[in-house]
Parts: sequence; C-alpha cells; structure tokens
Amino acid sequence: SQELEQSPQSLIVQEGKNLTINCTSSKTLYGLYWYKQKYGEGLIFLMMLQKGGEEKSHEKITAKLDEKKQQSSLHITASQPSHAGIYLCGAPLGGGKLIFGQGTELSVKP
Amino acid sequence: EPEVTQTPSHQVTQMGQEVILRCVPISNHLYFYWYRQILGQKVEFLVSFYNNEISEKSEIFDDQFSVERPDGSNFTLKIRSTKLEDSAMYFCASSEARGPGANVLTFGAGSRLTVL
Repeated sequence: SQELEQSPQSLIVQEGKNLTINCTSSKTLYGLYWYKQKYGEGLIFLMMLQKGGEEKSHEKITAKLDEKKQQSSLHITASQPSHAGIYLCGAPLGGGKLIFGQGTELSVKP
Repeated sequence: EPEVTQTPSHQVTQMGQEVILRCVPISNHLYFYWYRQILGQKVEFLVSFYNNEISEKSEIFDDQFSVERPDGSNFTLKIRSTKLEDSAMYFCASSEARGPGANVLTFGAGSRLTVL
C-alpha cells in the first residue's frame, strides 16, 4: 500500500524566514494535495499538483511535484504568524479516497 | 466562500451508545466523504458516497458504521455501538461531480467524538 512520509515533523521558525516541508511517497504519485489544518477549522485546501515538474504558487506558498512524481515540497517565503498550523500532504487513490502524510507542525515566532 | 458544516463540534458519549454525526455539504457537490483522525495519528479515509449509495469504504468502516443522506441536504455518519477506540475527530468532506474542482475535497471543521 502507498505511504506518504513528511519531513520535518515539526518546525519552529522566526517570522520572516523561509522554510520548506517535504512529502515523499513510497509509490508514484498521480496527484498531490497540500492542506493546512488548524484547530477548529478542519483541513483547508492549499494546492493540487498533477504533473511531474509542476509548480504552483499562492501568495507566499509554492508547491512543487518532482519530475519522477514521488516527492513534493512546500516552500513558504517570508513566513508570518498566520502561516502557523499543521501542513498535510495527501495523495489520491481514486474515488475521492486520499491518503495523508502524518503532518508537519509549523510554529512561527514573532 | 461555500463551506461544509458539521455538527456537533464535540460529543461525549458512553461506550455502547449510538452516535450520529451530521454534515451539510456544499450545495452543488455530489460526492460526500467521511474521514477520521485519531489523536496523534494520520487523517484516514472511512467512506465515500455518491448517488445515494456507498462508492467505497475502508476496512475501518465495519458494520457498526453507516451513512445516509436522509433529506437531500444532510449527510450523516452513524456509529451504532461506540467503542473506546472510536474516539477521534471525524471530518466530513464533499467535492464537485466534474470540472476543475472535481478532485478537490472541501473539508468541514470536524466533530470531535469522545467515548468514555
């Protein structure tokens, strides 16, 4: 069965610093989703990647899917306290079924 | 921004009791899902639902679980006889039938179930 592994598991950065979160799959990815989880707000969709080499950006967050489609990275530029939360990568298995990584907890110190 | 609404936000129940978790998906969405997250563990798929029937279910979704869409707007998850290990955050999600949003699941804020 497919597994997603995220690194690091937790991250504390100073406000204004850049950071990267990685998501590695045990099998070829046929899409990769990034969600952000905050307590009381559920999972908030950030981005979806489908093609090898694809890169998408939204505000200060950029996500990439590598050419071999087994790894994705999420990069935040000039982090802010509002970026704090748990970032989850998810891979589709068909029929709306997603498997998720264990999450990366980000804290941003003002 | 349309959203998925879940009630209750937190429910405490005694082991063996029946629990119903409710969800109002986004109105033009046709696919509905339940996921759960046990504290400290990964978010995991339970069941998907389309056209008034279960499309797919995981091994977790045994005979103690059922889903239905009783009135065309609510989507419910019932646990017939709760066990301690059912304690988790339960997330409802929905997605469009087609178009660019077809593969994007919109999640609710979750219902925390505590079984004592």
